[in-house]
Amino acid sequence: KQEVTQIPAALSVPEGENLVLNCSFTDSAIYNLQWFRQDPGKGLTSLLLIQSSQREQTSGRLNASLDKSSGRSTLYIAASQPGDSATYLCAVVNQAGTALIFGKGTTLSVSS
Amino acid sequence: KAGVTQTPRYLIKTRGQQVTLSCSPISGHRSVSWYQQTPGQGLQFLFEYFSETQRNKGNFPGRFSGRQFSNSRSEMNVSTLELGDSALYLCASSRGTESSYEQYFGPGTRLTVT
Repeated sequence: KQEVTQIPAALSVPEGENLVLNCSFTDSAIYNLQWFRQDPGKGLTSLLLIQSSQREQTSGRLNASLDKSSGRSTLYIAASQPGDSATYLCAVVNQAGTALIFGKGTTLSVSS
Repeated sequence: KAGVTQTPRYLIKTRGQQVTLSCSPISGHRSVSWYQQTPGQGLQFLFEYFSETQRNKGNFPGRFSGRQFSNSRSEMNVSTLELGDSALYLCASSRGTESSYEQYFGPGTRLTVT
C-alpha cells in the first residue's frame, strides 16, 4: 500500500530564506507526483507536476525534483516571502490507478 | 478559463440526514474525483468518475456515492450522516487521460454534521 510522508510537519523561517520541503513515498511505481499549496480553509492550488520519467520541474521561485528509485521528492522555494505561508502537500498517482495519494503536508510560516 | 466550481460552499446537517454536493469541472475535463479532508486523516480519495463511469473507488462505506452527468458535472451523495462525516469535501478535475492526469481542485464544500 502506497504511503506518502512529508517532513517536517511545520516550518518557520524568516523572509528571504531558501528552503526545502521533503516528500517520500513507499512504492516507486508511480505515474506522477504533484505538489500543491493550500491556504487555510481553501481548496488546493497545483504548483508543479512531475511525470515519472522526469527528474525536475521549475516554476518561478519553485523547483521540484523527483528520485523514483529512492522514493523521494523535494520542493525548493527560493527567497521565501510572507505570501508563501501555507500548507504544502505532496501527492502521487500510482501506476495502478488514478487517485492522488496525499501526504499530511508541511505547514510553512514565513515571517517578515 | 473558469476553474472548478463546487456548490454549496457550506452546509450544516443533522445526524441521519442525507446530503448532495455538486461539482462542475473545468471545460474539456472528463474526469472528476472527490476527496475528503479532515484534520485527523488528512486528504483521502473517495472516488473518480470518467465519462459517466466510476473508474476508481477509495475505501469508504457505501453511504458515500456519486454520479457523473453527460456534461461531466458530478454529484456526491452521503446518506445517513454521521458526526464523523464533518469535513471539507474537495472535488478535482482533469482531462483523465494518461498524458494528462494533472488535477485541479475546487474550493471545497465545508460540511458540518451536528
